[in-house]
Amino acid sequence: QKEVEQNSGPLSVPEGAIASLNCTYSDRGSQSFFWYRQYSGKSPELIMFIYSNGDKEDGRFTAQLNKASQYVSLLIRDSQPSDSATYLCAVRGTDKLIFGTGTRLQVFP
Amino acid sequence: DTGVSQDPRHKITKRGQNVTFRCDPISEHNRLYWYRQTLGQGPEFLTYFQNEAQLEKSRLLSDRFSAERPKGSFSTLEIQRTEQGDSAMYLCASSDRDRPYEQYFGPGTRLTVT
Repeated sequence: QKEVEQNSGPLSVPEGAIASLNCTYSDRGSQSFFWYRQYSGKSPELIMFIYSNGDKEDGRFTAQLNKASQYVSLLIRDSQPSDSATYLCAVRGTDKLIFGTGTRLQVFP
Repeated sequence: DTGVSQDPRHKITKRGQNVTFRCDPISEHNRLYWYRQTLGQGPEFLTYFQNEAQLEKSRLLSDRFSAERPKGSFSTLEIQRTEQGDSAMYLCASSDRDRPYEQYFGPGTRLTVT
Protein backbone atom coordinates (compact mmCIF):
# COMPACT_ATOMS: atom_id res chain seq x y z
CA GLN A 1 0.00 0.00 0.00
CA LYS A 2 1.34 3.40 -0.99
CA GLU A 3 1.67 5.95 1.79
CA VAL A 4 -0.32 8.60 -0.07
CA GLU A 5 -2.85 7.62 -2.71
CA GLN A 6 -4.60 9.73 -5.28
CA ASN A 7 -6.69 8.89 -8.32
CA SER A 8 -4.55 9.86 -11.30
CA GLY A 9 -7.56 11.11 -13.29
CA PRO A 10 -8.07 12.96 -15.42
CA LEU A 11 -10.93 14.58 -13.60
CA SER A 12 -12.89 16.64 -16.11
CA VAL A 13 -15.25 19.37 -14.94
CA PRO A 14 -17.01 22.18 -16.78
CA GLU A 15 -16.04 25.77 -16.15
CA GLY A 16 -17.86 27.16 -13.11
CA ALA A 17 -18.36 23.77 -11.46
CA ILE A 18 -16.86 22.49 -8.21
CA ALA A 19 -13.87 20.20 -8.62
CA SER A 20 -13.35 17.69 -5.83
CA LEU A 21 -9.94 16.08 -5.43
CA ASN A 22 -9.32 13.34 -2.91
CA CYS A 23 -6.35 11.82 -1.18
CA THR A 24 -5.95 9.00 1.35
CA TYR A 25 -2.94 8.28 3.51
CA SER A 26 -1.75 5.25 5.41
CA ASP A 27 0.02 6.67 8.47
CA ARG A 28 -2.62 7.30 11.11
CA GLY A 29 -0.17 9.46 13.02
CA SER A 30 0.23 12.01 10.20
CA GLN A 31 -0.31 15.56 11.39
CA SER A 32 0.13 17.93 8.47
CA PHE A 33 -1.29 17.86 4.97
CA PHE A 34 -0.55 19.90 1.88
CA TRP A 35 -1.94 20.49 -1.58
CA TYR A 36 0.35 21.54 -4.40
CA ARG A 37 -0.63 22.55 -7.92
CA GLN A 38 1.70 21.61 -10.75
CA TYR A 39 1.28 22.88 -14.28
CA SER A 40 2.76 20.76 -17.04
CA GLY A 41 6.52 21.18 -17.18
CA LYS A 42 6.60 23.38 -14.08
CA SER A 43 7.45 22.79 -10.44
CA PRO A 44 4.88 22.25 -7.65
CA GLU A 45 3.30 25.33 -6.08
CA LEU A 46 1.95 25.21 -2.53
CA ILE A 47 -1.70 26.25 -2.53
CA MET A 48 -3.16 24.92 0.73
CA PHE A 49 -2.16 23.28 3.97
CA ILE A 50 -4.31 21.92 6.77
CA TYR A 51 -3.37 20.60 10.18
CA SER A 52 -6.69 20.16 12.01
CA ASN A 53 -9.80 18.14 11.32
CA GLY A 54 -12.48 20.03 9.45
CA ASP A 55 -12.45 22.58 6.66
CA LYS A 56 -10.06 25.35 5.79
CA GLU A 57 -11.03 27.89 3.15
CA ASP A 58 -8.82 30.19 1.11
CA GLY A 59 -10.53 31.99 -1.73
CA ARG A 60 -11.95 29.45 -4.15
CA PHE A 61 -10.08 26.60 -2.43
CA THR A 62 -11.30 24.54 0.52
CA ALA A 63 -9.21 21.80 2.11
CA GLN A 64 -11.02 19.19 4.16
CA LEU A 65 -9.35 16.82 6.62
CA ASN A 66 -10.79 13.74 8.28
CA LYS A 67 -8.11 12.06 10.36
CA ALA A 68 -10.39 9.26 11.55
CA SER A 69 -10.98 8.18 7.95
CA GLN A 70 -7.47 9.16 6.88
CA TYR A 71 -8.44 11.28 3.96
CA VAL A 72 -7.92 14.83 2.86
CA SER A 73 -9.67 16.56 0.01
CA LEU A 74 -9.44 19.77 -1.97
CA LEU A 75 -12.47 21.53 -3.36
CA ILE A 76 -12.11 24.14 -6.05
CA ARG A 77 -15.20 26.30 -6.48
CA ASP A 78 -16.05 28.13 -9.69
CA SER A 79 -13.41 26.11 -11.58
CA GLN A 80 -11.62 27.96 -14.36
CA PRO A 81 -9.68 26.61 -17.35
CA SER A 82 -6.58 28.08 -15.69
CA ASP A 83 -7.10 25.58 -12.85
CA SER A 84 -6.26 22.76 -15.26
CA ALA A 85 -3.17 21.18 -13.74
CA THR A 86 -2.03 18.22 -11.68
CA TYR A 87 -2.84 18.50 -7.98
CA LEU A 88 -0.43 16.78 -5.63
CA CYS A 89 -1.37 15.75 -2.13
CA ALA A 90 1.48 15.62 0.37
CA VAL A 91 1.66 14.36 3.92
CA ARG A 92 4.26 15.26 6.47
CA GLY A 93 6.67 12.44 7.12
CA THR A 94 9.69 12.55 9.37
CA ASP A 95 11.38 15.79 8.29
CA LYS A 96 10.10 15.53 4.71
CA LEU A 97 6.95 15.53 2.62
CA ILE A 98 5.56 12.34 1.14
CA PHE A 99 3.70 12.97 -2.10
CA GLY A 100 1.01 11.14 -3.95
CA THR A 101 1.23 10.72 -7.69
CA GLY A 102 -1.22 13.56 -8.29
CA THR A 103 -4.63 13.97 -9.90
CA ARG A 104 -4.85 15.65 -13.27
CA LEU A 105 -7.70 18.15 -13.43
CA GLN A 106 -9.12 19.36 -16.71
CA VAL A 107 -11.56 22.27 -16.70
CA PHE A 108 -13.29 22.70 -20.02
CA PRO A 109 -15.07 25.88 -21.18
CA ASP B 1 10.99 38.75 -2.28
CA THR B 2 12.72 36.29 -4.55
CA GLY B 3 11.76 32.66 -4.53
CA VAL B 4 13.89 29.55 -4.71
CA SER B 5 16.19 29.55 -7.72
CA GLN B 6 17.92 26.62 -9.40
CA ASP B 7 20.64 26.42 -11.98
CA PRO B 8 20.84 25.13 -14.63
CA ARG B 9 17.22 24.72 -15.68
CA HIS B 10 18.09 22.01 -18.16
CA LYS B 11 21.06 19.69 -18.42
CA ILE B 12 21.77 17.09 -21.07
CA THR B 13 24.70 14.83 -20.37
CA LYS B 14 26.13 11.59 -21.59
CA ARG B 15 26.06 8.48 -19.46
CA GLY B 16 29.07 8.30 -17.21
CA GLN B 17 29.59 12.05 -16.90
CA ASN B 18 29.33 13.98 -13.65
CA VAL B 19 26.81 16.78 -13.20
CA THR B 20 26.29 19.39 -10.50
CA PHE B 21 23.17 21.39 -9.77
CA ARG B 22 22.82 24.49 -7.63
CA CYS B 23 19.93 25.68 -5.48
CA ASP B 24 19.54 29.08 -3.82
CA PRO B 25 16.76 29.01 -1.21
CA ILE B 26 14.56 31.86 -0.08
CA SER B 27 16.94 34.03 1.90
CA GLU B 28 15.46 33.68 5.39
CA HIS B 29 14.79 29.94 5.08
CA ASN B 30 17.07 27.69 7.08
CA ARG B 31 15.85 24.35 5.70
CA LEU B 32 16.65 23.18 2.19
CA TYR B 33 15.34 20.01 0.56
CA TRP B 34 16.15 18.08 -2.58
CA TYR B 35 13.52 15.98 -4.33
CA ARG B 36 13.45 14.06 -7.58
CA GLN B 37 10.41 13.75 -9.82
CA THR B 38 9.90 11.48 -12.79
CA LEU B 39 7.05 11.60 -15.27
CA GLY B 40 3.70 10.67 -13.75
CA GLN B 41 5.06 10.52 -10.21
CA GLY B 42 5.07 12.86 -7.29
CA PRO B 43 8.32 14.31 -5.99
CA GLU B 44 10.44 11.84 -4.01
CA PHE B 45 12.56 13.04 -1.13
CA LEU B 46 16.33 12.78 -1.52
CA THR B 47 17.90 14.75 1.32
CA TYR B 48 17.58 17.87 3.43
CA PHE B 49 19.69 20.39 5.29
CA GLN B 50 19.03 22.48 8.32
CA ASN B 51 21.49 25.32 7.98
CA GLU B 52 24.70 23.59 6.89
CA ALA B 53 23.94 20.23 8.49
CA GLN B 54 22.67 17.42 6.29
CA LEU B 55 20.17 15.73 8.59
CA GLU B 56 18.56 13.03 6.50
CA LYS B 57 19.27 11.13 3.32
CA SER B 58 16.87 8.86 1.48
CA ARG B 59 17.94 5.38 0.49
CA LEU B 60 17.25 6.65 -3.04
CA LEU B 61 20.44 8.67 -2.66
CA SER B 62 23.03 6.19 -3.83
CA ASP B 63 26.76 6.61 -3.33
CA ARG B 64 26.93 8.41 -6.66
CA PHE B 65 24.90 11.29 -5.24
CA SER B 66 26.31 13.89 -2.90
CA ALA B 67 24.85 17.12 -1.61
CA GLU B 68 26.40 20.01 0.24
CA ARG B 69 25.35 23.26 1.81
CA PRO B 70 28.69 24.59 3.03
CA LYS B 71 27.67 27.94 4.48
CA GLY B 72 24.04 27.27 5.16
CA SER B 73 22.98 29.28 2.13
CA PHE B 74 23.03 27.72 -1.35
CA SER B 75 23.28 23.99 -1.89
CA THR B 76 24.76 21.79 -4.59
CA LEU B 77 23.72 18.32 -5.66
CA GLU B 78 26.29 16.30 -7.58
CA ILE B 79 25.66 13.10 -9.46
CA GLN B 80 28.74 11.12 -10.43
CA ARG B 81 28.87 8.60 -13.27
CA THR B 82 25.37 9.41 -14.42
CA GLU B 83 23.08 6.64 -15.60
CA GLN B 84 20.02 6.83 -17.84
CA GLY B 85 17.85 6.11 -14.81
CA ASP B 86 19.01 9.40 -13.31
CA SER B 87 16.99 11.29 -15.94
CA ALA B 88 14.40 13.25 -13.96
CA MET B 89 13.45 16.68 -12.69
CA TYR B 90 15.52 17.60 -9.65
CA LEU B 91 13.61 19.92 -7.39
CA CYS B 92 14.87 22.05 -4.56
CA ALA B 93 12.57 23.41 -1.86
CA SER B 94 13.09 25.55 1.20
CA SER B 95 11.21 26.35 4.38
CA ASP B 96 11.71 28.48 7.46
CA ARG B 97 12.30 27.36 11.03
CA ASP B 98 8.81 28.27 12.23
CA ARG B 99 6.93 26.38 9.50
CA PRO B 100 9.36 23.68 8.36
CA TYR B 101 6.83 21.62 6.45
CA GLU B 102 5.48 24.46 4.32
CA GLN B 103 7.97 23.94 1.56
CA TYR B 104 8.36 26.19 -1.46
CA PHE B 105 9.84 24.74 -4.59
CA GLY B 106 12.21 26.18 -7.13
CA PRO B 107 11.70 25.77 -10.88
CA GLY B 108 13.69 22.55 -10.99
CA THR B 109 16.57 21.24 -13.07
CA ARG B 110 15.57 18.81 -15.78
CA LEU B 111 18.33 16.25 -16.32
CA THR B 112 18.48 14.11 -19.43
CA VAL B 113 21.11 11.39 -19.56
CA THR B 114 21.75 10.05 -23.07
